[in-house]
Amino acid sequence: QTVVTQEPSFSVSPGGTVTLTCGLSSGSVSTSYYPSWYQQTPGQAPRTLIYSTNTRSSGVPDRFSGSILGNKAALTITGAQADDESDYYCVLYMGSGPSFGGGTKLTVL
Amino acid sequence: QVQLQESGPGLVKPSQTLSLTCTVSGGSISSGDYYWSWIRQPPGKGLEWIGYIYYSGSTYYNPSLKSRVTISVDTSKNQFSLKLSSVTAADTAVYYCARESLSSDSSGEYLWGQGTLVTVSS
Repeated sequence: QTVVTQEPSFSVSPGGTVTLTCGLSSGSVSTSYYPSWYQQTPGQAPRTLIYSTNTRSSGVPDRFSGSILGNKAALTITGAQADDESDYYCVLYMGSGPSFGGGTKLTVL
Repeated sequence: QVQLQESGPGLVKPSQTLSLTCTVSGGSISSGDYYWSWIRQPPGKGLEWIGYIYYSGSTYYNPSLKSRVTISVDTSKNQFSLKLSSVTAADTAVYYCARESLSSDSSGEYLWGQGTLVTVSS
C-alpha cells in the first residue's frame, strides 16, 4: 500500500521561507493527484490553504503557495509569521480515494 | 455563507455503532455541486478520510473502513449522516464533516465543520 509522506517537523525563522513537501512511499507526485494542503492549530478544525496543486483557497494570503518540486508536491510559505506555527497536512487523490499525509509540525522561532 | 455542524453522542461503547449527523446551513445539500464527506482524526494523530456521499445517494468509502461504514443523506432535512459499526478504542477520534466541490479542478477544497469528539469506551 502506497503511503503519503511528509516531514514530521520543520522550523523556520520569522520572516523566512520554508518549503514543506508531500511525497509517495512509491512513485512520484504529479498534478494528477490534485495535491492539497491544510493548516491546523491545536483544538481547531483544519483550514484549506491550497487545493489542486496550486490554487489558494478564498482568504488565504499569497505568501502561501503550492507547486510540484521534483517528484513531490510542495507548500511554500514566504515571510513566515508567528501565527503560521501549526500542523500542516497534505492530501493526494489515489485510486482508493483521498489519502492524507501524517502532517508536518511547523515551528516558527 | 455555508456552514456544517456535526452532532451526535460523544461516548460510544465498544462493539456498538457510532452515529453522527452533519447539518448543512446556508446552502442546499441538493445543489448537486458537491460531495459531502466524513473525515476523522484520532487524538494527537493525522487525518483519515472515511468516505463521501452525493445528494443522489451515491457513496464512496475508504476501503479500509468500507465493511463498517454507512453514509446516508436526508435532503429534506439538509443533513447527511455517518454510521460506523463494531467500534473499538481505535475509532476514538474527532469526526469532521466537510463539503468538497464536484469539479476535479477543485479537488481538495474542503469546507470543514468544527468537528466532534467521539470516545469509544465502556
